[in-house]
Amino acid sequence: KNEVEQSPQNLTAQEGEFITINCSYSVGISALHWLQQHPGGGIVSLFMLSSGKKKHGRLIATINIQEKHSSLHITASHPRDSAVYICALGSQGNLIFGKGTKLSVKP
Amino acid sequence: GAGVSQSPSNKVTEKGKDVELRCDPISGHTALYWYRQRLGQGLEFLIYFQGNSAPDKSGLPSDRFSAERTGESVSTLTIQRTQQEDSAVYLCASSLVAGPTFEQYFGPGTRLTVT
Repeated sequence: KNEVEQSPQNLTAQEGEFITINCSYSVGISALHWLQQHPGGGIVSLFMLSSGKKKHGRLIATINIQEKHSSLHITASHPRDSAVYICALGSQGNLIFGKGTKLSVKP
Repeated sequence: GAGVSQSPSNKVTEKGKDVELRCDPISGHTALYWYRQRLGQGLEFLIYFQGNSAPDKSGLPSDRFSAERTGESVSTLTIQRTQQEDSAVYLCASSLVAGPTFEQYFGPGTRLTVT
């Protein structure tokens, strides 16, 4: 069993829809990261969470440490949000990555 | 300021040849990471450096892979006797300090194709 599971694997949405991407994990962690990988391949860090909730613009990330679960929400989605969203676990020095959720937002 | 840079951006090599990939981290970042992303797959950890400490090599897939870092600056990932399964995008990242609660900044990657 993978230490980190993301769902869904692929997601297609219409512009304006509210989007949720889920991440479940099975190991103890110090922090959880959400990353965005653009179609060109570049990776950007969106959030680093160790508890509760964080918001940045239209993006919201939450984590429930007891349930070992995190969600990334995108409000009022836009075609420019189309990317792969990656959940990564931080427990020691390096990160353990999920396989990513490929999001396509149609105009 | 400047972000993480990697060179070359693309590299095509013949099976059996050695290749060197370079990473320039953000100035002042003591931690540097190498990752690999095969086509259609997730990111795999390879190795990380923290200051002058011994690197964590636990992710290197075979002894054909090695990496060096000069102080807290440039790092080189070397793959000897390349195989077709080494074809992937190799990503470098740096952070202020190694640790799960520090944001990592990624370079654009080097796309390696072994023919």
